[in-house]
Amino acid sequence: GAGVSQTPSNKVTEKGKYVELRCDPISGHTALYWYRQSLGQGPEFLIYFQGTGAADDSGLPNDRFFAVRPEGSVSTLKIQRTERGDSAVYLCASSLAVGITYEQYFGPGTRLTVT
Amino acid sequence: AQSVTQPDIHITVSEGASLELRCNYSYGATPYLFWYVQSPGQGLQLLLKYFSGDTLVQGIKGFEAEFKRSQSSFNLRKPSVHWSDAAEYFCAVPDKLIFGTGTRLQVFP
Repeated sequence: GAGVSQTPSNKVTEKGKYVELRCDPISGHTALYWYRQSLGQGPEFLIYFQGTGAADDSGLPNDRFFAVRPEGSVSTLKIQRTERGDSAVYLCASSLAVGITYEQYFGPGTRLTVT
Repeated sequence: AQSVTQPDIHITVSEGASLELRCNYSYGATPYLFWYVQSPGQGLQLLLKYFSGDTLVQGIKGFEAEFKRSQSSFNLRKPSVHWSDAAEYFCAVPDKLIFGTGTRLQVFP
């Protein structure tokens, strides 16, 4: 079946602009995670959803970052007033449910470049 | 807080040689541990996981890992590396995954 998909695959934007990154999870997966991977680093947790609600947003770096999942499926990560330090690969993952026994399946990521 | 450390940033091996990638964890209780692989242009893929029980865990693509509590380690091994194994490897702890910094594996023919 289809895996996790993310669009766009690449996004170049100017400093100060607003961007939206989209994640389509595997059908039926109730948990959805966002991570950020900077160059030469491992992915860092940003936020996860259980259904429509953000269960844990403790990894969001500041209030310029926001994510939604209005219908419990597709999620959008929104970044306002982008800064050059936001440049990274943003990864999305989904799992059947929340919990360590449920494998997270990752999408290919969106590479964000802020110029 | 849980954390994992991967001491080796970059490892180079010849095709057919054995491989061991190191991972050290910091956690008071019995940890849950994962190894992921990230190939160019592909998403992160789970190689194997340790929850409890047998300390030698078998994974996909011929990989295995051994949990050693005395050394706080969960090293990834493969007896004979193939050129297609060239990738970035990450050790992680759950549940909102906390990843190590990764080890880049390069394979020479």
